[in-house]
Amino acid sequence: TQLLEQSPQFLSIQEGENLTVYCNSSSVFSSLQWYRQEPGEGPVLLVTVVTGGEVKKLKRLTFQFGDARKDSSLHITAAQPGDTGLYLCAGGDGNKLVFGAGTILRVKS
Amino acid sequence: SAVISQKPSRDICQRGTSLTIQCQVDSQVTMMFWYRQQPGQSLTLIATANQGSEATYESGFVIDKFPISRPNLTFSTLTVSNMSPEDSSIYLCSVVLGGLETQYFGPGTRLLVL
Repeated sequence: TQLLEQSPQFLSIQEGENLTVYCNSSSVFSSLQWYRQEPGEGPVLLVTVVTGGEVKKLKRLTFQFGDARKDSSLHITAAQPGDTGLYLCAGGDGNKLVFGAGTILRVKS
Repeated sequence: SAVISQKPSRDICQRGTSLTIQCQVDSQVTMMFWYRQQPGQSLTLIATANQGSEATYESGFVIDKFPISRPNLTFSTLTVSNMSPEDSSIYLCSVVLGGLETQYFGPGTRLLVL
């Protein structure tokens, strides 16, 4: 079974600060996805990366897939209170997804 | 994307009873999944709901406890049977569109067992 280690588990920062969330594995994944989940809702897909070394940007969010397709990072620039939520990475493992433990992000105004 | 609805959105149940959760999708999908999630924590896959055949369960989950139906390509149900307080959790269904890389989730069903 493939495992994804996500760090940090919890992050509390001030509005305007930058942050990076990491997702690491010893296994190769065919794709890696990032989700954000707000209280009372289901996870919402932010991005999917499939190519080693791929970088995708979504406004203030930058996603990177490692060259070996074993790790990924999510960088948020100038965080805002609206970025608060649970961030989950998930790797494609055959016919299902393997999820990291999640990062709870709290952005204080 | 897909519009996914779940019913009920939340429920409080007595131990020993059963609850059936419905998942409805606005388009035909091949793959549907059921997950369990403790608040603020990650998702644990319960099973893959297969249309026309029995669900495929993950380690630690059994059909007698979590029977699943998938009568067509837009609908599935998950039943939590003989509930105990340990079953208190959020239950989510998800569907795959255009390949495993694209998975969309329902809003979840929040279950509290007393």
